[in-house]
Amino acid sequence: EVQLVESGGGLAQPGGSLRLSCAASGFTFSNYEMNWVRQAPGKGLEWVSYISSSGTSIYYADSVKGRFTVSRDKAKNSLYLQVNSLRAEDTAVYFCARLGVSGSYYFDSWGQGTLVTVSS
Amino acid sequence: QSVLTQPPSVSAAPGQKVTISCSGSSSNIGSNYVSWYQQLPGTAPKLLVYDNSRRPSGIPDRFSGSKSGTSATLGITGLQTGDEADYYCGTWDSSLSAVIFGGGTKLTVL
Repeated sequence: EVQLVESGGGLAQPGGSLRLSCAASGFTFSNYEMNWVRQAPGKGLEWVSYISSSGTSIYYADSVKGRFTVSRDKAKNSLYLQVNSLRAEDTAVYFCARLGVSGSYYFDSWGQGTLVTVSS
Repeated sequence: QSVLTQPPSVSAAPGQKVTISCSGSSSNIGSNYVSWYQQLPGTAPKLLVYDNSRRPSGIPDRFSGSKSGTSATLGITGLQTGDEADYYCGTWDSSLSAVIFGGGTKLTVL
C-alpha cells in the first residue's frame, strides 16, 4: 500500500524557517516524481513545488520561488521542503503528493498533510 | 481568484445525479489533460479522475469525467450521503508552467 507521511510542521514566526519531511513507503520512491501542494485554512489547493525522480529537475510556484527549496533522499525514501522567510500567507496544510505515471500532471497519492502556522 | 472556475456549491438528493463544471482557457484545459479530486472533511484530497476521463482502480463508475474545448465536467450518479465533500479540478497551465486547481465545489447531498 502506498503511504506518504508528512512531518515537520508547526508554529513559526514571520521570517522564520521550517523543514518539512515526507516519508514514502509501499512503492519504489526513486521511480516517481514528487510534489508539494498546500491548502490555506478554508481555501483551495495550491501547487507549491515539483521534483523529478532523479532530483535533477525542480520547479516552484512563483509565490514561493527563492524562499522554498525541495529535495529528496533516495536512501531514506524521503521528500523534503525547506521553507524560509515565512510569511503569514504561507500558513497552510502542506501535502506531499506523488505524480501519476500516465505522462500528464495529476497526483495519484497524497499524504495526510502537516500544518504550518506563521504568526508572531 | 483561481485560473480554473468552478461553481462554489452544488446540491442534489440521494440517488440523483450531479455535474460539476470546470472552466479554463486554451493554455490549460484547452491543451492539457484534466484531473478531479475529492476531499472529504478533514482529510487529504483523493484522485477520482485523471486524463480527462480515466478512473484509478477502486473508484466506482458512478464517477465520470469529460472534457470539451476549454471546459471539463465531473459527473456523479447515484448520489450517497458519503459523497458530501469538496471537489477540485486540476490541470497543467502551459503559460504559467505550473499545475493549477479550480477553487473547489462543495457538494451537498440533501
